[in-house]
Amino acid sequence: QQQVKQSPQSLIVQKGGIPIINCAYENTAFDYFPWYQQFPGKGPALLIAIRPDVSEKKEGRFTISFNKSAKQFSLHIMDSQPGDSATYFCAASRSYNQGGKLIFGQGTELSVKP
Amino acid sequence: ETGVTQTPRHLVMGMTNKKSLKCEQHLGHNAMYWYKQSAKKPLELMFVYNFKEQTENNSVPSRFSPECPNSSHLFLHLHTLQPEDSALYLCASSQPPGQINTGELFFGEGSRLTVL
Repeated sequence: QQQVKQSPQSLIVQKGGIPIINCAYENTAFDYFPWYQQFPGKGPALLIAIRPDVSEKKEGRFTISFNKSAKQFSLHIMDSQPGDSATYFCAASRSYNQGGKLIFGQGTELSVKP
Repeated sequence: ETGVTQTPRHLVMGMTNKKSLKCEQHLGHNAMYWYKQSAKKPLELMFVYNFKEQTENNSVPSRFSPECPNSSHLFLHLHTLQPEDSALYLCASSQPPGQINTGELFFGEGSRLTVL
């Protein structure tokens, strides 16, 4: 029940494409769903996050879609660029009581070809 | 310096050695974390400290021993490790859980550990 399942494990798209990364969770107590981006040799950094009271959130070229009934959420990257090549992790937590104690997905290695 | 700083960045040790990883945060946070990152696996939470007190030990073997002398510093003492402990160890900080906040973790760049 504590797992977050992420797919695909790796993804290759052409520049300008729209990669989509999917995550699913089981614990209905989760109420905070962030995405982290990690470049080689760096630690993960928060990219965008959503709470279950909204179905979509956009920040620049990055969009989270959230489906509470299906217990799924996904990351879309519009007009992807080679600089977006990184590993992306979804995560979940019960923010009120367990703020920083995130449960992470396995990660998706994204490669955007020029 | 700003952010979360980890040293050393790379460490190679034998199974009988004793070494320590150090983490320092300059963000004024009161919660600090150790995560383990292994290839093709989710980041695994190891320990959580709030206001210098350990509030979470995620069933971590005793060969890993954390220490948090103050809210800005966190150590991970290593002894008699196994080759399967080879991984990237990430330190992070945040505002402490229990408050209504974003829960954003700020990570360091990690310490790459190889156990021979």
